[in-house]
Amino acid sequence: GENVEQHPSTLSVQEGDSAVIKCTYSDSASNYFPWYKQELGKGPQLIIDIRSNVGEKKDQRIAVTLNKTAKHFSLHITETQPEDSAVYFCAALSGNTPLVFGKGTRLSVIA
Amino acid sequence: DAGVIQSPRHEVTEMGQEVTLRCKPISGHNSLFWYRQTMMRGLELLIYFNNNVPIDDSGMPEDRFSAKMPNASFSTLKIQPSEPRDSAVYFCASCCHLGQGHQPQHFGDGTRLSIL
Repeated sequence: GENVEQHPSTLSVQEGDSAVIKCTYSDSASNYFPWYKQELGKGPQLIIDIRSNVGEKKDQRIAVTLNKTAKHFSLHITETQPEDSAVYFCAALSGNTPLVFGKGTRLSVIA
Repeated sequence: DAGVIQSPRHEVTEMGQEVTLRCKPISGHNSLFWYRQTMMRGLELLIYFNNNVPIDDSGMPEDRFSAKMPNASFSTLKIQPSEPRDSAVYFCASCCHLGQGHQPQHFGDGTRLSIL
């Protein structure tokens, strides 16, 4: 089955700097890759997703890139702000199986 | 849309007691998922349903755990008897509207369970 690896597990950046979180997946049939943000006391919330027919997608300060050949995808947050501090999860979907999640990255943005 | 609704938000009980967690999925979604989240193990998928039918319960840790989905708008996760190691945050998620291609799961805000 699918296996998703996520790095780093923790990340600290200065406010205004960029943050990059990387994930790899094992199943070449995976074709949908969402990213979730989890704030304290809340459930994970979708922030951006990408499908396998697209290499990059951007939404304001957030962008995701996908390299199908290498089977990895990344989340990029530019101009980070304190409210970006949270745990971020990547996930991959193959066929009709449930999403497979990475272990999460705890991002701290230092003001 | 009210989103996925879970209750209770917090539950504290003594070991050996029965615990019932509840979930109302987003209207129109045909899949429902129960997850457990701990610091040590992250997000674990316990069980999921398609059209109210359990599809895969291989993530359910023991026979003490059971889940039901009697109709499209309600699901329960039950632990009987509960043990301290069951303490975690339990999330319910739902997905998808038929015929709309790949869609993300939508999570509730979870039930924080503490077994003393």
